[in-house]
Amino acid sequence: DAGITQSPRHKVTETGTPVTLRCHQTENHRYMYWYRQDPGHGLRLIHYSYGVKDTDKGEVSDGYSVSRSKTEDFLLTLESATSSQTSVYFCAISESSEKLFFGSGTQLSVL
Amino acid sequence: GDSVTQMEGPVTLSEEAFLTINCTYTATGYPSLFWYVQYPGEGLQLLLKATKADDKGSNKGFEATYRKETTSFHLEKGSVQVSDSAVYFCALTTNYGQNFVFGPGTRLSVLP
Repeated sequence: DAGITQSPRHKVTETGTPVTLRCHQTENHRYMYWYRQDPGHGLRLIHYSYGVKDTDKGEVSDGYSVSRSKTEDFLLTLESATSSQTSVYFCAISESSEKLFFGSGTQLSVL
Repeated sequence: GDSVTQMEGPVTLSEEAFLTINCTYTATGYPSLFWYVQYPGEGLQLLLKATKADDKGSNKGFEATYRKETTSFHLEKGSVQVSDSAVYFCALTTNYGQNFVFGPGTRLSVLP
């Protein structure tokens, strides 16, 4: 299995609070991704990174920001959480081999 | 933009039945095509892939053929098992792995 760790695995928070999710990899892969998974929508890309300090927006980036200061870490921040951001969040990594490796996911509930 | 369409299900089959999950795509350029599988409580795992027209990807008894003329990549298995119960995602990439587009997923339940 690829070395990808997401933390926390579960989080419950209140509307309006900031939340940061962490993805850590030990594979030295160039590309890192944050997806959210919702019923009826499958996986939707939030943000991705193609190198240290190089990030770009995905299709559902509003309300989210990311940072990648080291190859191994990719942080996803919800500046002010809303109930619509209740979801399961997956981190994924890839190299140029066109294969994605996924973390185990973070279940986030915004009350 | 690029997109993937697949039957959402749920699909319920008896053990040893034949499985087909349809997937069609819209893409600029020449995409690589994938099937990923998600078991309960886990992240997605690559099941199989095909990188050019007429290629057949196969793994664990599953197979899919890249059909450029019909823009399709249907997943098949001749005899499903209870352990195949999962959600199956069709996906594509056109950027040599830089960006992936996923279908909505198809939930498969196999009954003993």
